Parts: sequence; C-alpha cells; structure tokens
Amino acid sequence: EADIYQTPRYLVIGTGKKITLECSQTMGHDKMYWYQQDPGMELHLIHYSYGVNSTEKGDLSSESTVSRIRTEHFPLTLESARPSHTSQYLCASSDRGLAGDTQYFGPGTRLTVL
Amino acid sequence: GENVEQHPSTLSVQEGDSAVIKCTYSDSASNYFPWYKQELGKRPQLIIDIRSNVGEKKDQRIAVTLNKTAKHFSLHITETQPEDSAVYFCAASMGSGTYKYIFGTGTRLKVLA
Repeated sequence: EADIYQTPRYLVIGTGKKITLECSQTMGHDKMYWYQQDPGMELHLIHYSYGVNSTEKGDLSSESTVSRIRTEHFPLTLESARPSHTSQYLCASSDRGLAGDTQYFGPGTRLTVL
Repeated sequence: GENVEQHPSTLSVQEGDSAVIKCTYSDSASNYFPWYKQELGKRPQLIIDIRSNVGEKKDQRIAVTLNKTAKHFSLHITETQPEDSAVYFCAASMGSGTYKYIFGTGTRLKVLA
C-alpha cells in the first residue's frame, strides 16, 4: 500500500546519544520534509529535500542532519540528543495535486530525551 | 521573516453550527494554501486546499475563501459534527517554486454535542 512510514514510533534515550529517525515513502514523491511538532502545536520545518542528493535547511536545522541517497528514504540524524529535543517528529512527502503540492504526513516518531 | 497568523487558537461551537478559522500570510509570492486536520494522536491530513488564482473552493461541508489583496484566507465548516473536533492548521507556500510551507499555529476546534 502506498504510504509514508516512520520508525521507531516511540523512542526514549539518554542525553548525548546519537539517533537516527527513519522515514520511507512508497509513493514515488520527489519532495520530502521533516517537521518538529509539540503535541497540538504548530509544525516547525527542520529539513527538506527536492530529490536524490538534494537537502535544504529549515528553521530548526542546526542540531540535525539529513541525507537523501534514495528517492524513498529520508533519515534524520541527531548527533547528540538533548532534553530540548523531546518532541514529535513528523516526516512528510509531497506530490502535485490539483491545486498545488499536497503534503502527506507519516505517523510520527515521539522522542523523549532524558 | 515570513509568517502565517491563525485565529482563533481555540473555538467551541454547538453541533450543527458553523465554524470559521482565519489565517493571514505575509509572503506576497505565496500561491498555495492548504488546510490540515489533526486529530488527537494522529498525523495531519489535508482536508482542502486552494490556489491563488481561485477565490473560493467548496467540498461538501467545508469551504475555503482566499483574499489575495488582503493576504488572508479562511476555513468554513458548516453543520459541524462531533467528529469535526480536532486541531486545524492553515499553511501557505513560501515564494514560488520553493516547495516550502509555513504553518499557522493551529486552532483547536471543539464541537459540543
């Protein structure tokens, strides 16, 4: 089934650990995005990609990195996790709909840094 | 920097009444305006969108209006039902061809039975 997948769904780690959040989509979309969202609050863009080997920084990019080696895969890495990183991380991909570029979101990874 | 303001932050309506959520954007080059609904613990899902060359779009009980001159757009939900209770986010594309979006701060809609 065409969808966007994120793993893990929940993660609890200690301060200073390096972590990678996985995101894969089977819809063949070129554009992919990472957002940070506290529950019920606004979405903040972390990184985005227009396609393979393309990555761009968003507003909250300074403490994380991404890669886009394959169209379907867009992992997000936190080099040294801190309690301030505790949040939900949403991956999205987009396709051109009738009006514009519709974004489809994954189920999210809820990260807790102790 | 560019931003999107969304009001109100919370909205309670009686079942069957209408709900209106308003957003104002600052980037005059914005040309695509989607609305997302996010139920508790779930991912945001697109409910309706509009492009800048259209002033209004309707899909059953949901409609969006756009005033490009004033740089604001609104979501209208008629005949609200309890299942409409959720957080609603507006968004605006940034510039042309960037494929980036700025999201509003969200409106928590509660439909009272």
